[in-house]
Amino acid sequence: QVQLVQSGAEVKRPGSSVKVSCKASGGTFSNYAISWVRQAPGQGLEWVGGLMPLFGSATYAQKFQGRVTITADESTSTSYMEMSSLGSEDTALYFCAGYTGSWRLDHWGQGTLVTVSS
Amino acid sequence: DIVMTQSPDSLAVSLGERATITCKSSQSVLYSSNNKNYIAWYQQKPGQPPKLLLYWPSTRESGVPDRFSGSGSGTDFTLTISSLQPEDVAVYYCQQYYTTPLTFGGGTKVEIK
Repeated sequence: QVQLVQSGAEVKRPGSSVKVSCKASGGTFSNYAISWVRQAPGQGLEWVGGLMPLFGSATYAQKFQGRVTITADESTSTSYMEMSSLGSEDTALYFCAGYTGSWRLDHWGQGTLVTVSS
Repeated sequence: DIVMTQSPDSLAVSLGERATITCKSSQSVLYSSNNKNYIAWYQQKPGQPPKLLLYWPSTRESGVPDRFSGSGSGTDFTLTISSLQPEDVAVYYCQQYYTTPLTFGGGTKVEIK
């Protein structure tokens, strides 16, 4: 069973960047499709972007294009999501999630709270 | 982008009664080469990540009680809880994984009447 463990909560100033990690265990990371999904306080789920390490390049929701970079380090089975030019509207719980060979979201990390505040 | 429209936004059902949630996609999520609908349903309880309940969209994830069922094809889908239990109080989301960007319905909050 795949487990996804995310890095801890972050507090950031407006205009800064944040990098969140997601370490996978229990599966073949290179075959895994990792997505990053965020949830603003009291709101629904919003897909930020994703990556299939086997195919290399990431894909992003149009809203985040140019401001988010999703990468994967196969040697440590870890995915990273970096978001720049943070604003208060980026305050949210960020989840990594994924499944082998498909964009379905069978497995979820515990979430990382990113708070953007001056 | 494929827009997922869920209804209702919230639902209050008596214990033991049926709860039904609908989800409509703005375009078909049926992949003709394998005749599968790329729809999943998730349950989210407060303070927890979403949990996969159903995919394809009638296949239950391992360990999901059989009171949860899914149906539909093309653009119209339904999640049914046949006999609501206290532990089913949660927000439910549909999601299409037919293409990126992945998109979710707005969520349906299920409560006990």
